Amino acid sequence: QPVLTQPTFLSASPGASARLTCTLRSGVNLGGYRIFWYQQKPESPPQYLLNYYTDSDKHRDSGVPSRFAGSKDASTNAGILVISGLQSEDEADYYCAIWHNSAWVFGGGTKLTVL
Amino acid sequence: QVQLVQSGAEVKKPGASVKVSCKASGYTFTTYDINWVRQATGQGLEWVGWMNPNSGNTDHAQNFQGRVTMTRDTSISTAYMELSGLRSEDTAIYYCARTKPSGSGWTLFDSWGQGTQVTVSP
Repeated sequence: QPVLTQPTFLSASPGASARLTCTLRSGVNLGGYRIFWYQQKPESPPQYLLNYYTDSDKHRDSGVPSRFAGSKDASTNAGILVISGLQSEDEADYYCAIWHNSAWVFGGGTKLTVL
Repeated sequence: QVQLVQSGAEVKKPGASVKVSCKASGYTFTTYDINWVRQATGQGLEWVGWMNPNSGNTDHAQNFQGRVTMTRDTSISTAYMELSGLRSEDTAIYYCARTKPSGSGWTLFDSWGQGTQVTVSP
């Protein structure tokens, strides 16, 4: 089972919210990890969006709108990325990542369609 | 501004080696680690490894044990990633990416190269 699991596809309407999940494998305790989120558009490298550790320890990259927000759901052992007020330009692949056992581990990515 | 410019596409036969370069500009090359991340067509991201350009220290993902070598030439601010024993599954875009410390104990991939397509085909 992969360390990080993301749903492959997600679609939502313009103006709505999208909730992207990044579930840590059983036995990998969410509380001990900072969850990073990257956005990738076609034919481009990924771009850092934000990371979340706790409500008082989180970071959003400069230029990333506040409608992108990170959080955690302890009940499902998952990191969460919520994108509010969806715009067509938000259509992209989204990857979560953690630093785990001295290695960067990425989730498989979620393709977000805004339609 | 920070730029990472990678070498061009490569086509290699199975069993061969490939060496990809990543030239940095816009900052002091030895200050930040360089990582390598690959992405097969239509697939997700896979971390290959990192190198400290100052010390030359490296580490890599277990999947690449014995096959990957990361080096640098500080005189020309360039990092290299060599992958040997190529197989079809190594066909992917290989990105170099700088990791920048936050000052709070964590780092992020803040700048990426444009990617280098490596194709392994008989």
